[in-house]
This record gives sequence, C-alpha cells and structure tokens, in this order.
Amino acid sequence: EAQVTQNPRYLITVTGKKLTVTCSQNMNHEYMSWYRQDPGLGLRQIYYSMNVEVTDKGDVPEGYKVSRKEKRNFPLILESPSPNQTSLYFCASSRVGRIQPQHFGDGTRLSIL
Amino acid sequence: DQQVKQNSPSLSVQEGRISILNCDYTNSMFDYFLWYKKYPAEGPTFLISISSIKDKNEDGRFTVFLNKSAKHLSLHIVPSQPGDSAVYFCATLGIQGAQKLVFGQGTRLTINP
Repeated sequence: EAQVTQNPRYLITVTGKKLTVTCSQNMNHEYMSWYRQDPGLGLRQIYYSMNVEVTDKGDVPEGYKVSRKEKRNFPLILESPSPNQTSLYFCASSRVGRIQPQHFGDGTRLSIL
Repeated sequence: DQQVKQNSPSLSVQEGRISILNCDYTNSMFDYFLWYKKYPAEGPTFLISISSIKDKNEDGRFTVFLNKSAKHLSLHIVPSQPGDSAVYFCATLGIQGAQKLVFGQGTRLTINP
C-alpha cells in the first residue's frame, strides 16, 4: 500500500529536549516536505526537499532542521524545542512536477511544555 | 499575511443538498489551485484541482469553479453525503518554490442526515 508514515503520532515533551520526527514514504517520490498546522492558519510549509541531499527552507523554518540522506526518509529535527512549536505536523511526498498531488502522512501532534 | 483565505470556519448542510465551500486568494499570479479533504486523525487527501486556464473542473459529485477576475474559487459538492463531513482546505502552488502548497485556514463541513 502506498503510504507516508510518520512517527511518533503523539509526543509530549519539555522545552530544550531534542527530538526527531521521522517520515518515510514507499512510493519512490523525489519531493518531500514538512508542514505544520495551527488553528486559524491552515498548513504552512517548514522545509522541503527536491531529492537526496537537496533541501530548502519553506515559510516557517526557524527552530527546525531536516536531512535527506535517503530518498525514502525525511526526518524533522527540533534541536531545542520551545512551546511555540507545539503543533500538528504533516509530512508529504510526491513526484517532482508542479501539478503532482502531494500525499500526506497522518500527522504528528507535538506538545512542548 | 494570509494569501489564501477561507472565510467560513464551518458550514452545515442537509444530506442530499448542495455544499458550497469558498476560497479567496490575493495574488493574481497564482495559476493552479487544489482542494484537499481532511478527516480527524488523518492527513489531508487530494480531492480535485484546477488550472487557471480553465474556469471549471468536474470529478463526479465534486466541481471546482475558478473566477480569476474576482480571485475566487469554490468547491461544489452535489449531492452532499454524510461521508463528506470533513475539513476542506483550499490550496494553491506558491510562486516561489516549485511545489510549495499555500493553504487556506480550512472549512469544517458537516452533513446532517
């Protein structure tokens, strides 16, 4: 089954404790992206990657890091989480091409206390 | 600065009637628009799209209309079914970054039996 898998689905942690949210896709997609969803704001892009070792900032990259060492994986790293990073996070993937619809994971709800 | 706006946070419609979800955008350079549907605890799933060279696109019960002069698009669902109850996001492809999706805030649609 074609899917984008995120882990963990839920996490409650404390300020400053480094965490990683993993994202893996099994569709051999070149393009991967991270979004965060906040009430009243919709989804906003954090980082994206056009292919292995190629990453770039989205609209809200501050406080986040990513890496793309393998085509299927695109982890999101919070080196020193803060309460304003409490949010619902989605990973997405697609083929390269502007009109390729993006496939989303089921989300990771992070609470930073 | 919200570039894509969905001004109705929620909409309630009787089963069998038409649901109309609206979306406004600010930049006349946007040339491709999408609607995503999201159920609780799941990621958004692609529903339907439209290019700016068209003013209408149909897929079964779903039709998207684009009014470029008004910078407005709408999604019509006819007839509405209980399984259509979800949050609907309007999105466009950003100008900068080949595949960045710029989302509206979402509209929660409830279909009443």
